[in-house]
Amino acid sequence: GQSLEQPSEVTAVEGAIVQINCTYQTSGFYGLSWYQQHDGGAPTFLSYNALDGLEETGRFSSFLSRSDSYGYLLLQELQMKDSASYFCAVRSMEYGNKLVFGAGTILRVKS
Amino acid sequence: KAGVTQTPRYLIKTRGQQVTLSCSPISGHRSVSWYQQTPGQGLQFLFEYFSETQRNKGNFPGRFSGRQFSNSRSEMNVSTLELGDSALYLCASSSSGAPRADEQFFGPGTRLTVL
Repeated sequence: GQSLEQPSEVTAVEGAIVQINCTYQTSGFYGLSWYQQHDGGAPTFLSYNALDGLEETGRFSSFLSRSDSYGYLLLQELQMKDSASYFCAVRSMEYGNKLVFGAGTILRVKS
Repeated sequence: KAGVTQTPRYLIKTRGQQVTLSCSPISGHRSVSWYQQTPGQGLQFLFEYFSETQRNKGNFPGRFSGRQFSNSRSEMNVSTLELGDSALYLCASSSSGAPRADEQFFGPGTRLTVL
């Protein structure tokens, strides 16, 4: 079954802030990653959290709470080009160290 | 630095045939992973190679196989194709040999259609 849960779709307006949540269930957790994929494109790496807290990279931030098995991706000052699918991914001992992806969240940015 | 390249980009095959897909990682990257992406199943891990050794394998039937060469280039093979094998096959490379390396660089993928 799916061990990572993220919303299937989120819609927001240009200039706004949006948060995409990801919850996971696994043991021997190593870290949580986020990837962005535009239609017809390849996934591109956005961030990686191994420890609790917030990591900021420009307009994007990613947060992890290991005790809650929860993380989120925060996108600020949304732009039309941010319309894409966003995947969280987990690597853990339970998964045999392979990267397991969530089903993805489609973000639609409206003007 | 050139990115990850995959060939061919598009492929149409019929059921029962076999197919070989190729991936050239970023220069200096020794780890190569393969994923299958379908609308219903998302990104599913196929296998991971590091220095010519398969380090990890996903839950796919034995019809799916792969290998890595000494120059880190990798190939995956699917034999006895089924309709359900139609998907985008993505290859990703990373620089570190450590299992926890999570920054993977993806190629554009090979779109396989099985008729």
